[in-house]
Amino acid sequence: GESVGLHLPTLSVQEGDNSIINCAYSNSASDYFIWYKQESGKGPQFIIDIRSNMDKRQGQRVTVLLNKTVKHLSLQIAATQPGDSAVYFCAEVKSGKLIFGQGTTLQVKP
Amino acid sequence: DGGITQSPKYLFRKEGQNVTLSCEQNLNHDAMYWYRQDPGQGLRLIYYSQIVNDFQKGDIAEGYSVSREKKESFPLTVTSAQKNPTAFYLCASRGMKGQGIYNEQFFGPGTRLTVL
Repeated sequence: GESVGLHLPTLSVQEGDNSIINCAYSNSASDYFIWYKQESGKGPQFIIDIRSNMDKRQGQRVTVLLNKTVKHLSLQIAATQPGDSAVYFCAEVKSGKLIFGQGTTLQVKP
Repeated sequence: DGGITQSPKYLFRKEGQNVTLSCEQNLNHDAMYWYRQDPGQGLRLIYYSQIVNDFQKGDIAEGYSVSREKKESFPLTVTSAQKNPTAFYLCASRGMKGQGIYNEQFFGPGTRLTVL
């Protein structure tokens, strides 16, 4: 069946280091993949998306990599800051619907 | 929160009562969505609507109902048939092609529903 999952529930990094958050998916027919950031008590916020026919896309301090061979998606955050502390979700888009994974909590240590 | 408002922020309901959660957007988006989020979990789709007067069931529609009489409004009713309604409810909207970033769903601030 369709499922999107993340490898680790919690990731702890030192301020200034790079963070890598991973996601595995099982549905090969997805059109897009999206990364969201959710701060406590708030709605998710769009970070970056990547079309299924792309391998890499860069934004401001973030890079998303898509490996369709192993059905793996990652979000890289450069020079992680305290404000990056949140729960990060990957989601796949198929026929206009979003299917979310369970989320990884990123903790940034000062 | 991207022009989407949800009210109330916190809602308490007695068991057996229906309750309606409000969602309004001023982004002129065609598509609107309702998700449910349980602690430590991702978002699960309850209902979605891609155009006025039309909506479809998501993955967990049982015990919920919606209406889409106006483009800017997509209220969700949690009925007494929903066995475990305590959760964080999130509304989202998305522009169709030509209405900005195609895939960007804008989420509201959420309503936390607690059944007493």
